Amino acid sequence: GAVVSQHPSRVICKSGTSVKIECRSLDFQATTMFWYRQFPKQSLMLMATSNEGSKATYEQGVEKDKFLINHASLTLSTLTVTSAHPEDSSFYICSARDRLAGGRVDTQYFGPGTRLTVL
Amino acid sequence: AQTVTQSQPEMSVQEAETVTLSCTYDTSESNYYLFWYKQPPSRQMILVIRQEAYKQQNATENRFSVNFQKAAKSFSLKISDSQLGDTAMYFCAFMKYNTDKLIFGTGTRLQVFP
Repeated sequence: GAVVSQHPSRVICKSGTSVKIECRSLDFQATTMFWYRQFPKQSLMLMATSNEGSKATYEQGVEKDKFLINHASLTLSTLTVTSAHPEDSSFYICSARDRLAGGRVDTQYFGPGTRLTVL
Repeated sequence: AQTVTQSQPEMSVQEAETVTLSCTYDTSESNYYLFWYKQPPSRQMILVIRQEAYKQQNATENRFSVNFQKAAKSFSLKISDSQLGDTAMYFCAFMKYNTDKLIFGTGTRLQVFP
């Protein structure tokens, strides 16, 4: 089955530093990947949509200069949290859409998430 | 804008019993998709079931079935013969037709007791 991995699974960093999170589709090609943020005991909020070879589309209220997204290949998207602050601490989840799935809408596969803690 | 509401923050059920999780949504769209996702303690989101709005027949996947009431904008999930492995957060989600954007509800934490 389709597998999406995220690395790292957990990261702790100091305030002011930058952190990169990787999202990989392991056995399929993903033209589109999505980045979500999940606060404790809350829902997933879409942050941005990442398309291979083009700029990401950010949701309203998400700072694109703070959350840098790069989708350089059909199997890898990265989210970089720049100048991280404690309020950026959260659970970040990516999902990937299978390029070959055509019109099927249930072809978003989720990664296991990355817990970011900013001290 | 679309919104998804799950009014039950927590539910519990005994093993082998049946439980129903509620979900309502608000949209002006006529074509859309609805989903139930499961997030177990491992935090990995898993698709449980999906429903196309144009289909009147309720979707079923083994022990999981939905009651889709389009006019009432209601989309409940019924879990039959509950198993301990069903313990998880359950999220209802909406997707407008021809988009990939999922809008999630706030989730219902389900605990299955032996």
